[in-house]
Amino acid sequence: DSGVTQTPKHLITATGQRVTLRCSPRSGDLSVYWYQQSLDQGLQFLIQYYNGEERAKGNILERFSAQQFPDLHSELNLSSLELGDSALYFCASSASGQGNSPLHFGNGTRLTVT
Amino acid sequence: GESVGLHLPTLSVQEGDNSIINCAYSNSASDYFIWYKQESGKGPQFIIDIRSNMDKRQGQRVTVLLNKTVKHLSLQIAATQPGDSAVYFCAESGGSYIPTFGRGTSLIVHP
Repeated sequence: DSGVTQTPKHLITATGQRVTLRCSPRSGDLSVYWYQQSLDQGLQFLIQYYNGEERAKGNILERFSAQQFPDLHSELNLSSLELGDSALYFCASSASGQGNSPLHFGNGTRLTVT
Repeated sequence: GESVGLHLPTLSVQEGDNSIINCAYSNSASDYFIWYKQESGKGPQFIIDIRSNMDKRQGQRVTVLLNKTVKHLSLQIAATQPGDSAVYFCAESGGSYIPTFGRGTSLIVHP
């Protein structure tokens, strides 16, 4: 058990809808990362937060947004969903947030857009 | 089980053999490297890491080798077991401090 909790495990929704994915980091970790994993793209970095502040952005679509709350949990909001957004979304946490320590991943949210 | 890639390289070994999984990285500025294991239905799990000031690091049944000259990383698993069957990812981080993941290698261990 990595200590990172993601909810829900599965989401099925229709195109055009909006969903929120939730992540609780490992106790003591200040940094949260979001990654998207699809069949043909591997693990793609979306966004990173450190202690409530956005620290780095990857190839995150404008339809997607995220935030990290004072209690350090994070939410990833996906809106105007398209079929191509179907993927596994992983949250990971780390202590340093500087990429020089291991990431600890949750078990992901599987999003299916129909 | 879930597939994490349609065209993943695959390594098939017999139980008890040693496995070697290779990874080429691209960023010369990368100074921290990690291997992860992803089992079906789960998130990637940290296995072992190595920093650029080392060329070898050993863990329990696993060894990571780093060759900075040719930008190559390998993961050696001794006495491979069926429970080692998974997809293995290498990740690098450096100037941007954001870990970048390779495409993964599927390890299949036959009993």
